[in-house]
This record gives sequence, structure tokens and C-alpha cells, in this order.
Amino acid sequence: GESVGLHLPTLSVQEGDNSIINCAYSNSASDYFIWYKQESGKGPQFIIDIRSNMDKRQGQRVTVLLNKTVKHLSLQIAATQPGDSAVYFCAENGNSGNTPLVFGKGTRLSVIA
Amino acid sequence: DSGVTQTPKHLITATGQRVTLRCSPRSGDLSVYWYQQSLDQGLQFLIQYYNGEERAKGNILERFSAQQFPDLHSELNLSSLELGDSALYFCASSVRGAADYGYTFGSGTRLTVV
Repeated sequence: GESVGLHLPTLSVQEGDNSIINCAYSNSASDYFIWYKQESGKGPQFIIDIRSNMDKRQGQRVTVLLNKTVKHLSLQIAATQPGDSAVYFCAENGNSGNTPLVFGKGTRLSVIA
Repeated sequence: DSGVTQTPKHLITATGQRVTLRCSPRSGDLSVYWYQQSLDQGLQFLIQYYNGEERAKGNILERFSAQQFPDLHSELNLSSLELGDSALYFCASSVRGAADYGYTFGSGTRLTVV
């Protein structure tokens, strides 16, 4: 079946460097994508979203890139801080009307001080 | 505080028992979603309610059931519990019924079956 997946389960980054978290999706009908951040012991927190009519969207220190040709989504975090340490999930909507968001397994980002 | 309230935060129970998890959505949100998160796993969709009616069903076991009440709060009932049901259970809410806007998640209920 179709699913959302992540290339790397863990990522270690030096404080101050930029982080890039990748996500591959397989449902070509998906037209809405979200990145969530989950800190230990907490629920997932919305970071940034993007619709399929865009290929880039920027937030505060974060940028999401969407490449529909190769069905790839990435989250870039600028000047990574210790507070960015968490598990990051991408999610897609499948666009079948009533299909809820489908989440990937997540990437753990560890920031080295 | 996300605005989505889940109770209890922690629950420890024995195999074969039944528990009820409760979720109050963010004010104004009509949809409630339940997700299960096991160790080192992603978020597995269980069930969605929109304005009191079941909207979508995922990989929810027959031993599990849910409902959404007129005041829009939702309850997830887990019965005949097994060790493998130990997990984090998250509730999320959104304004609309379709997945074209982000969900707001609660802080979850950690269920431990012993």
C-alpha cells in the first residue's frame, strides 16, 4: 500500500549548523503536507505546512521544500538549537476526501552542543 | 497548552480490563481524530469523528470503539486489553472534516497494560 516514509531514522547536528530532514511520499494524489515536531513526553506540534501548488514555503528558521516530480519533501532548520532536539514527522493527506493525515515513522534530531 | 485536552495522562491496567480515554477538542473544532503511537513507531490512525458522526476508520481493532458526544468531546474505549495495546494514544482536532488543514494534538494518554 502507499505510505509516507523517511530516509533517515536519526540525525545528529552540531549546534548552529543547518539541519535537513527528508521525507518520501508515494501517494501522488496528496496535495497537502505538514511537518510536526514531537518532543519527549509531548504531543506532536505543528511546524509548517505546504500545498501542492507551491514548491517552497518559509517560516521562522524553517523551510519546507516540495518536489512533486520525485515525491519528496524536506524540512530545513536554520541555525539548529538544542531546543530543536525532537522527533520530526512528515504527514500527507492522500486527497481522497475523507482520508485523514498519514504520518511517517519520524526522524530523531539530536543537537550536539 | 494546545487547547486539546486529554485525560488521564497516564493509565496502568491489567490484561483483560477495559479503559476509557477522554478527549476535549480545541474550541470551535468539529473533527476529532484518535491516533496510536507505539514504541519507535509513527502515528497510526484509528478513527475520526466529525460533528458527532464517524467520518473515517483506520486500523482500529474490534476491541476498540469510540464516540463523539453532542458537546464534541470524544471517548476511546479499549476493552479486553492485551500487553500489545500499551502505547501512547493521541487525540487531535481540526475545524474541518477533510485533511486540508493541520491538526492540533493533545498531550496524549500513556497506557501501560501489565
